[in-house]
Amino acid sequence: AQKITQTQPGMFVQEKEAVTLDCTYDTSDPSYGLFWYKQPSSGEMIFLIYQGSYDQQNATEGRYSLNFQKARKSANLVISASQLGDSAMYFCAMREDLANQAGTALIFGKGTTLSVSS
Amino acid sequence: DAGVTQSPTHLIKTRGQQVTLRCSPISGHKSVSWYQQVLGQGPQFIFQYYEKEERGRGNFPDRFSARQFPNYSSELNVNALLLGDSALYLCASSGWGHIGELFFGEGSRLTVL
Repeated sequence: AQKITQTQPGMFVQEKEAVTLDCTYDTSDPSYGLFWYKQPSSGEMIFLIYQGSYDQQNATEGRYSLNFQKARKSANLVISASQLGDSAMYFCAMREDLANQAGTALIFGKGTTLSVSS
Repeated sequence: DAGVTQSPTHLIKTRGQQVTLRCSPISGHKSVSWYQQVLGQGPQFIFQYYEKEERGRGNFPDRFSARQFPNYSSELNVNALLLGDSALYLCASSGWGHIGELFFGEGSRLTVL
């Protein structure tokens, strides 16, 4: 079974600082995809960044980058130059091919609450 | 362009009742998935539909059912509600049968008393 672990329940950072949110995963599939989502208090899950298991380079999207260490099975999210609007829950997720079914699903970690202060 | 829309946004039910949640995907998206998010946890997969066919089902009891309509909108039904069904129910759409990027709605927050 696949599993996502986020060990930081909460993180605190000041504006303009960088922050790293940890994520480790467990899978025996050679092909997989890793996602990070942001969930503000409104509830909507906002896609931030994606890393495929065969991607040679770490993914980047604006202020977001993914520190992908395949051998260690970690996919940490780095947010540079934090802003007040970054305060939210952050979820790491992995795509799973459903056993004996045709579809796929995302398996989520428990999330990390990020608080950015001025 | 409209994103994923869900209704109702909030609702309160009592144990034993039934509830129907609705979701409209992004225009052109043919795949809809449903997730349950209990307070303090990450979302858990319930169903995936693609082209009106069920493609996947998570580890949820038969009280949970869903369907997808010809216009690709979807409904999630939960019968015989339990207190533990209280959660945020998220709908997500994508353009492919297999997940590329999932686009989520803001969810329907269900409280069971």
